[in-house]
Amino acid sequence: ILNVEQSPQSLHVQEGDSTNFTCSFPSSNFYALHWYRWETAKSPEALFVMTLNGDEKKKGRISATLNTKEGYSYLYIKGSQPEDSATYLCALKTSYDKVIFGPGTSLSVIP
Amino acid sequence: DAMVIQNPRYQVTQFGKPVTLSCSQTLNHNVMYWYQQKSSQAPKLLFHYYDKDFNNEADTPDNFQSRRPNTSFCFLDIRSPGLGDAAMYLCATSLVNNEQFFGPGTRLTVL
Repeated sequence: ILNVEQSPQSLHVQEGDSTNFTCSFPSSNFYALHWYRWETAKSPEALFVMTLNGDEKKKGRISATLNTKEGYSYLYIKGSQPEDSATYLCALKTSYDKVIFGPGTSLSVIP
Repeated sequence: DAMVIQNPRYQVTQFGKPVTLSCSQTLNHNVMYWYQQKSSQAPKLLFHYYDKDFNNEADTPDNFQSRRPNTSFCFLDIRSPGLGDAAMYLCATSLVNNEQFFGPGTRLTVL
């Protein structure tokens, strides 16, 4: 059974703090890793699609790295703002076309 | 704006009474997905379509069926809902191997 894990489960940070969280996945059958942001009462929104070992992607204050050999990806948020409060989901796409989501990290940024 | 629409947003049904959830998209994406998400858990893929090709996950109960009459619409039919089927149901679309675009979800309550 393929399992995608995320840690921590939840995180509370002060406005302005930088933070990061982890997505761990089995490195066999890797095809792509997706990061999504899910705000309450809204649809999950794609942040990054990462495919290559060593990939680094950036969108504003949010960036992500990928290590497919050891099976992890980090998501970083620099200078957290209250509007960053959301659940951050990672999803593994395997080479045989299965999509497996992690349980998410719930981020709360306190003003 | 191009988007993924789910109707209804909230659905209440009785134990054993069939229910249909609908998803439509204006993105002209060839892949459509249905996920089930229960509280604090990862979204779980039920099935997906590549164009008209239906791909069922091995552990999706027979109680769950799907139809995709055309590119724009996809339906989730729950033939005999049980209490354990109460969840958020998310529809998503994508181009092949790209990030997914999610609808707002339908929250199903089973009485």
